[in-house]
Amino acid sequence: EIVLTQSPDTLSLSPGERATLSCRASQSVSSTYLAWYQQKPGQAPRLLIYGASSRATGIPDRFSGSGSGTDFTLTISRLEPEDFAVYYCQQYGRSPITFGQGTRLEIK
Amino acid sequence: QVQLVQSGAEVKKPGASVRVSCKASGYTFTSFYIHWVRQAPGQGLEWMGWINPKSGGTNYAQKFQDRVTMTRDTSIRTAYMELSRLNSDDTAVYYCASQFCTSTSCGNLFDPWGQGTLVTVSS
Repeated sequence: EIVLTQSPDTLSLSPGERATLSCRASQSVSSTYLAWYQQKPGQAPRLLIYGASSRATGIPDRFSGSGSGTDFTLTISRLEPEDFAVYYCQQYGRSPITFGQGTRLEIK
Repeated sequence: QVQLVQSGAEVKKPGASVRVSCKASGYTFTSFYIHWVRQAPGQGLEWMGWINPKSGGTNYAQKFQDRVTMTRDTSIRTAYMELSRLNSDDTAVYYCASQFCTSTSCGNLFDPWGQGTLVTVSS
């Protein structure tokens, strides 16, 4: 199975700063099949990015995704207070579907 | 709007089975696969499998192959996930989620999600 490793585990930043979250795969992932989710405490995850770089409906343009092969990045250009949450990457190109362990984005 | 509403929290003893339901509304139920994903307390997300509501066909993660059964009742737009031989490691929030589709294609990613069902396994 494809193992996804996210880094860092925790990222401490202030509102207004830029956040860069990494997701590295143990095998090449077609960029068509890499997604990012946001999860807030007590809530279900929410789809942010699919196909490595396409924003889901209603997702603000401060969220962007990039990458290919085994290295992918989620960037939040200017953090808003509501962006502090846990972020997961997911590959859906090969069964079993797998997720990264998550990056916690916390307020500094 | 598209919505998935799950059944309520469950407490089960080790060795028992649990069935969680997921009722869909706001779209044609048979159009999109339903996936199940679980999350142990304080942990990450783990995919369990999917069901095709149109055909009833399923695909389970190997880890759960011998313990999980996914079914559906199209007459009431509801999908079910049953997990048997429960142990304490199965304590988790179980989510159903709809397959996500763009205007041109569908993939095994998830949007929207149900609200989650907490299953607690304790003697």
